Amino acid sequence: DTAVSQTPKYLVTQMGNDKSIKCEQNLGHDTMYWYKQDSKKFLKIMFSYNNKELIINETVPNRFSPKSPDKAHLNLHINSLELGDSAVYFCASSQVGSLYGYTFGSGTRLTVV
Amino acid sequence: GNSVTQMEGPVTLSEEAFLTINCTYTATGYPSLFWYVQYPGEGLQLLLKATKADDKGSNKGFEATYRKETTSFHLEKGSVQVSDSAVYFCALSDNAGNNRKLIWGLGTSLAVNP
Repeated sequence: DTAVSQTPKYLVTQMGNDKSIKCEQNLGHDTMYWYKQDSKKFLKIMFSYNNKELIINETVPNRFSPKSPDKAHLNLHINSLELGDSAVYFCASSQVGSLYGYTFGSGTRLTVV
Repeated sequence: GNSVTQMEGPVTLSEEAFLTINCTYTATGYPSLFWYVQYPGEGLQLLLKATKADDKGSNKGFEATYRKETTSFHLEKGSVQVSDSAVYFCALSDNAGNNRKLIWGLGTSLAVNP
């Protein structure tokens, strides 16, 4: 069983489209995250939810909207995609804050053409 | 604010060489420290961690010791293998309140040649 699973793994789409990435964790963790990793491997946190409540909302364009229907799921919807949105997006989860580290999904490679 | 500084890569070594990747941090309070590894085309995996001063984390032949006096958490391995080629990230926990955010270094790419 995959602990943190993301779908899709690859996503190629045209500028201006709207797309969603889904994430699910079966670890019973209370906190989930979305990260963006650019081509230089720099990791930037975007959002974090704790038990369905938004607790971290970094400076991200409002075209990006997270949704957490329950504590095991955190989805990311992106409106009006731009070329600069091309990156790898990682979902992660943790328990008891970050004291014990995160478990990451395998990533979604988004390419906007 | 809290921050993590890692040595810049890429680091290129021959198989069986000794590896050190430096990591220093700035933090208030008593953060936990982590090393994550990202193999090509994969997500990040926790490699090792230390939660208090003088703790040594170890896994898969890698070690790092939490040194509060030098604010460092350097990653070491005595004999690297080709399969260790990956990007390594140092991180610290920001335990302030409910802000459960890891502070990340920029990553160090390691290439091991046979």
